[in-house]
Amino acid sequence: NAGVTQTPKFRVLKTGQSMTLLCAQDMNHEYMYWYRQDPGMGLRLIHYSVGEGTTAKGEVPDGYNVSRLKKQNFLLGLESAAPSQTSVYFCASSYQTPGLAREQFFGPGTRLTVL
Amino acid sequence: GQSLEQPSEVTAVEGAIVQINCTYQTSGFYGLSWYQQHDGGAPTFLSYNGLDGLEETGRFSSFLSRSDSYGYLLLQELQMKDSASYFCAVSSYGNNRLAFGKGNQVVVIP
Repeated sequence: NAGVTQTPKFRVLKTGQSMTLLCAQDMNHEYMYWYRQDPGMGLRLIHYSVGEGTTAKGEVPDGYNVSRLKKQNFLLGLESAAPSQTSVYFCASSYQTPGLAREQFFGPGTRLTVL
Repeated sequence: GQSLEQPSEVTAVEGAIVQINCTYQTSGFYGLSWYQQHDGGAPTFLSYNGLDGLEETGRFSSFLSRSDSYGYLLLQELQMKDSASYFCAVSSYGNNRLAFGKGNQVVVIP
């Protein structure tokens, strides 16, 4: 079991470029999440998905789009990167527990720098 | 809405005990989780409290008081490997996600 994997691990972009971050999980989890983490800010939720074909906005969705075409994959897109999107991006997944997702399994992160 | 408060940093010697506090303000509170994150690593789940009281997992314990909107994580017999950031996270009824606090960095010294 690989758990949650993220591709790529590092990336440097120029302002205005686009890219897609890929998250994959092999635990058959229903729920998947994208977070960004900035120094002193903790984890902030960008978008999440409660099942294949569904997505929803989190706390800081502006400038990002997501897709969940397959249950095991959750893609995060930046259409026109800005320096403010320099951050570490974490993907997470969890089971559909009765009511609420309490334990999330995190990927290793993607360090993105936008120049 | 949700807001979580955690103090920022604590330094302690090996073998000591550290308590990390978390106060929250949220509607429809369901439970409080704790996560550990080493420098450069991913967050990993430590514990969960859905009911008032103490949950013990080895050297780590977590406590919740719903009436006080307060919880804490207790790290006992500190080891060097416990140097990390610790985050509390709140789950609420009606939304399938966690709201994380800003974290508390613990530095363990010999």
